[in-house]
Amino acid sequence: KAGVTQTPRYLIKTRGQQVTLSCSPISGHRSVSWYQQTPGQGLQFLFEYFSETQRNKGNFPGRFSGRQFSNSRSEMNVSTLELGDSALYLCASSRPTGGSEQFFGPGTRLTVL
Amino acid sequence: AQRVTQPEKLLSVFKGAPVELKCNYSYSGSPELFWYVQYSRQRLQLLLRHISRESIKGFTADLNKGETSFHLKKPFAQEEDSAMYYCALSGPMIKAAGNKLTFGGGTRVLVKP
Repeated sequence: KAGVTQTPRYLIKTRGQQVTLSCSPISGHRSVSWYQQTPGQGLQFLFEYFSETQRNKGNFPGRFSGRQFSNSRSEMNVSTLELGDSALYLCASSRPTGGSEQFFGPGTRLTVL
Repeated sequence: AQRVTQPEKLLSVFKGAPVELKCNYSYSGSPELFWYVQYSRQRLQLLLRHISRESIKGFTADLNKGETSFHLKKPFAQEEDSAMYYCALSGPMIKAAGNKLTFGGGTRVLVKP
C-alpha cells in the first residue's frame, strides 16, 4: 500500500507571499491531519480534516488554512508568510475513529526568506 | 489543556544497557497514549500505543493513570535504537474526538557501541 505523499518536498518563499502544500493520504484513509515541526516549538498540531470538514483545529492564526477534497486529498495554505513560518510541515492520514494510528508523510520543508 | 512533557532532551546509553524514556501528561478524561519514533532520514512512525499492550522491538510502555505517566523502557538497548522518540496523546477512541495528536518535545536516544 502506498504511503502518504506530500508535494512539494522543498519550498523557498519570501515574506508576504502565500504558499499551498499538498497531501495525498493512504488509500482508504479519510482523516488527514497537518502538523508544523520547528526546532523551537517541536511538533504542533495545525488542523484535521475528515469528510471535507475541519474536525479539529490547533492554535494557529487564521493565515493558516486548509481544505480536503472528496478523494480525501488535502491542501494547506499559508498566506502572508512570515519568517517564523519556516518549518517542516507534516501531513498524516488515519482512519476516522479518534485515537487512531497516524501515518506520516515525509514532510514539506518551507523556508521563508 | 492537554500537555505532554518529556523531561530528557538527550539520553546517551551504551549498547546492552537499559534505557527508559520518561513521559508525563495532563488531560481531562481518558486519553490514548502513543510513542512515535523517527529514525535518521525516515518518517515519523508509530512505535507502540498503550491500548495494544504489546512489546515492539523490545520496547514496552506502561500507562500509569495515577502518576499520569507513560514511560518507555527497553532492558537492553541496541545501536539501531538510536533515534528521536516522541510521546503523544490524543482524545478517546470515538469518532467525534478526531485525530489530534499532542506531542512532547521529544527525546533523542544515542546508543553507543
